[in-house]
Amino acid sequence: NAGVTQTPKFRILKIGQSMTLQCAQDMNHNYMYWYRQDPGMGLKLIYYSVGAGITDKGEVPNGYNVSRSTTEDFPLRLELAAPSQTSVYFCASSNSRTGQETQYFGPGTRLLVL
Amino acid sequence: QKEVEQDPGPLSVPEGAIVSLNCTYSNSAFQYFMWYRQYSRKGPELLMYTYSSGNKEDGRFTAQVDKSSKYISLFIRDSQPSDSATYLCAMSARSFGNEKLTFGTGTRLTIIP
Repeated sequence: NAGVTQTPKFRILKIGQSMTLQCAQDMNHNYMYWYRQDPGMGLKLIYYSVGAGITDKGEVPNGYNVSRSTTEDFPLRLELAAPSQTSVYFCASSNSRTGQETQYFGPGTRLLVL
Repeated sequence: QKEVEQDPGPLSVPEGAIVSLNCTYSNSAFQYFMWYRQYSRKGPELLMYTYSSGNKEDGRFTAQVDKSSKYISLFIRDSQPSDSATYLCAMSARSFGNEKLTFGTGTRLTIIP
């Protein structure tokens, strides 16, 4: 299993541009999450999904959108990039069905908005 | 006041030393406690998890939870250079992962050979 994969690894955006951060998992997990990690600020939850077709806001959802059309994929969309969105983005997944509920993280996407 | 407080370090100790990493929290509803290890430019990986109060040991690692003091600790015995990483505490009220986790800011640890 590849686990949780994220693309791209690194991206530079200009203010006002848009992009989609890709996340996929091959563990048949039903829960998926997007976090951002800023220096000295820990991980903040942006959006999460408990299954295909179901998404909900986390702590810091403004400026982002998500969709979950399949169990495996959970893309994060930035519509109008702003410097405040410069961060490292992590996707994670977990399985509520097995009792092993811990979250598994991807390697991250570093985003720089200039 | 942050829900979870963690000393950001950095913390540098010589190889073989015992390391103590700590978090305090304010939400008395937290019952599930986790420690994640994050190597530079990598995603966090779960290191240990405990439910409610008490100790849990796994090899060189021991996790302690004191709910009465709202304080959790991670001890690393016989520390190795490969233990150099950022350690994040995380906690939640209802599960180890199937809901929003509240993370500490992380403590950067360096083990000096």
